[in-house]
Amino acid sequence: AQKVTQAQTEISVVEKEDVTLDCVYETRDTTYYLFWYKQPPSGELVFLIRRNSFDEQNEISGRYSWNFQKSTSSFNFTITASQVVDSAVYFCALSDYTGANSKLTFGKGITLSVRP
Amino acid sequence: GAGVSQSPRYKVAKRGQDVALRCDPISGHVSLFWYQQALGQGPEFLTYFQNEAQLDKSGLPSDRFFAERPEGSVSTLKIQRTQQEDSAVYLCASSWTSGGATDTQYFGPGTRLTVL
Repeated sequence: AQKVTQAQTEISVVEKEDVTLDCVYETRDTTYYLFWYKQPPSGELVFLIRRNSFDEQNEISGRYSWNFQKSTSSFNFTITASQVVDSAVYFCALSDYTGANSKLTFGKGITLSVRP
Repeated sequence: GAGVSQSPRYKVAKRGQDVALRCDPISGHVSLFWYQQALGQGPEFLTYFQNEAQLDKSGLPSDRFFAERPEGSVSTLKIQRTQQEDSAVYLCASSWTSGGATDTQYFGPGTRLTVL
């Protein structure tokens, strides 16, 4: 069975601080996808990134960066120079690559609060 | 373009009532998913459609839950004889396909169901 663990439940930082959100996953599949979604107070899940299991290259998008390490089954997310608008709940998710159903298994989410 | 839409956004039901939740996926998306998100938790998979075919309903919690997508576009999640434990946000997501390079799921704003 697949499992995603987000051990941090709540993080509070002051604006302009860097913050890293941790994600650890378990799967028996050899190929799979990892995702991060953002859920602002409005409630809609916003897609941030998707990585496949055979591409361990780290990725940077503006203030966001992701560190995928297959050896430790981790897919961590760093926000550089955080802003108040980054305040939200962040979910890490996992889906298998094969088959017709790519249903997502989510972690419990991390509530990030960025104070001005 | 238009994203995934859901209606109603909020629904209050008395215990024992039937409810119907609607999802309009992104035009042309083949795959459609329903998730249930309890307060303070990550979304959990309920069911999956590929066009009009319901290929996986393993996440439906009981036979009171029923979903359909008769024409391969709009989907309805129906809950019969609602109970208090059904109170949650119901999220719909769609993707171009399922599995492979184009299966990123895009979510709607959700329907918050409160059963009194």
